Parts: sequence; structure tokens; C-alpha cells
Amino acid sequence: EDQVTQSPEALRLQEGESSSLNCSYTVSGLRGLFWYRQDPGKGPEFLFTLYSAGEEKEKERLKATLTKKESFLHITAPKPEDSATYLCAVRPSGGYQKVTFGTGTKLQVIP
Amino acid sequence: DTEVTQTPKHLVMGMTNKKSLKCEQHMGHRAMYWYKQKAKKPPELMFVYSYEKLSINESVPSRFSPECPNSSLLNLHLHALQPEDSALYLCASSPRDSLYGYTFGSGTRLTVV
Repeated sequence: EDQVTQSPEALRLQEGESSSLNCSYTVSGLRGLFWYRQDPGKGPEFLFTLYSAGEEKEKERLKATLTKKESFLHITAPKPEDSATYLCAVRPSGGYQKVTFGTGTKLQVIP
Repeated sequence: DTEVTQTPKHLVMGMTNKKSLKCEQHMGHRAMYWYKQKAKKPPELMFVYSYEKLSINESVPSRFSPECPNSSLLNLHLHALQPEDSALYLCASSPRDSLYGYTFGSGTRLTVV
């Protein structure tokens, strides 16, 4: 069974204090790894898809990287508006479309 | 239009009621999904429609009945729900399959009393 574990569960940063979120995964052949951002009471917002080890993607202050066992979401000089829960998800290879989500990291950025 | 619209935003229903959740997108996406999310938990897949046909049912109880009338609309019919079914119900769409990333709606907050 596919598993996604995210750490830490919660992270509190000062504005401008860079850090990284971790996503460890176990899947029978990775077809894609996704990062989403979710604000309270809202649906998740798509950030990135990573397809293979060594791949990196960037968007504003966020950079996602992928290895064969884990992914990192690096947040550089965060701002209060970056506060949200960040969800990692995996899609296995093969025809089955099921995406499995991790429990997320709740990020709070203090001004 | 780059949104997935879900109605209603909030719903309170009794255990004997019948209600429906509605989801609409006009992005030309051909895959649509229902997810259930309990507080402080990740979204859990319920159903997948691909080209208006049900392709995945994640062993969801029959009191939840999905329907895809056309490529833009997705409904979830609810009947005889239990209090433990109270959750945020999220609709999502993607261009062809989940590999392209989902566009989620804001969800329907369902409370079963």
C-alpha cells in the first residue's frame, strides 16, 4: 500500500527565516509526486508535480526537490501569507489513478 | 474560467434526509473527482470519473451515489447518512488524469445530525 509521511507536523517560523518541509514516500513505482497548499476551510491549491529523482521546480519563494525516497519543499524568506498546510501526495505508476495524500505540515509564519 | 465551483458551501442534514452536492467546472477538464476530508486529516479519494464514466469507486458505502450528467457537472447524492459522514466534501478536476494536478473546489461542509 502506498504511504506518504510528512514532517514536521507543524512548523512555526519568523518572517524571513528559511526552512524545509519533508515528504517521505513508499510507492510501487512513482509516476508523480505533488505538492499542494491548503488554507483553512478551503480546497487544496496545486503547486508542483515532480516526475523523477533529481527534478526541481520553483514558484516564488517555494522550491520542491525529489529523490528516490523523499521530497523537500524549501521555503526561502517566508512571509505571513505563506502560512498554510502543505500537503504532499503521490501517484503510483500503472493505470490506476489513485493519488494518496500525506497528513500535511501546518506552517505558521510570524511577522 | 479556472475554477471549480461547489454548492452548497454548507449543508446540515438529518439522517433520514436526501440531499445532493453539486460541482461544476468549465475548464474542459475530462476527469473529475470526489474527495472526503475530516478535520486535521488528508483528503481521501471517494470516486473518479473519466470522460463522464465512473472509473474508480474506493469502496464507498452506497448511501453516497455519484453522478456525472455531462463533462462539466458532477453530483454527489446523499441518503441516510450517519453522523460520522460529517466532513468537508471536495470536488476536483484535472485535464485528463490526476498526473496533471487537481484543481479543487472550496468544498461543501456537511454536518449530519
